[in-house]
Amino acid sequence: HVQLQESGPGVVKPSEILSLTCSVSGSSITSYYWSWIRQPPGRGLEWIGEISHSGRTTYSSSLQSRVSMSMDPSKNQFSLRVTTVTAADTALYFCALGASPFTWGQGILVTVSS
Amino acid sequence: DIVLSQTPLSLSVTPGQPASISCKSSESLLHKDGKTFLYWYLQKPGQSPRLLIYEVSSRFSGVPDRFSGSGSGTDFTLNISRVEAEDIGVYYCLQGLQSPRTFGPGTKVEVK
Repeated sequence: HVQLQESGPGVVKPSEILSLTCSVSGSSITSYYWSWIRQPPGRGLEWIGEISHSGRTTYSSSLQSRVSMSMDPSKNQFSLRVTTVTAADTALYFCALGASPFTWGQGILVTVSS
Repeated sequence: DIVLSQTPLSLSVTPGQPASISCKSSESLLHKDGKTFLYWYLQKPGQSPRLLIYEVSSRFSGVPDRFSGSGSGTDFTLNISRVEAEDIGVYYCLQGLQSPRTFGPGTKVEVK
């Protein structure tokens, strides 16, 4: 039974970097694809990107200039980095198993505010 | 990028009655291997989304059989045979044919 848990700061200042980590239990991250999805308050789901079991990444067209993902097999974690954030990046951020997600974390709310 | 649209965007259903949600894709979601990569999710209030249907019509583990999916190419439908109070929330379709993946805008289902 795979479980995912997002962690990171709940508040990020405008123009700074948003960094989140997803800790995985119940499976090795080198066995599957993993993804990040976000949901602005009161709005729909936005797929951010995926990272493969070998570390290959694909990103959303609208975010690819500011987003990067990485993985740390030694900790069984993968991470998300969004640069130069604005208020529009305020959202509930989910990590998930699969590029078309099968299992989701509970989500972490990140607010961009000075 | 592939664009998904959903209709209706909101739906109010009497318990015990059927419900249907449509998802249309800007491109065919049929892969050369013969599979069609269309998924359905339900996000209940205050919860993470949960996978209901994968590859158009396969129910994910633990999903009640009142949920069914159908369609092909660019047109897909999620059906709930008899809506229950616990089925409230927002239903999203997702295309998994190509990256970047894209979600539909969501359909909010309320129970009368």
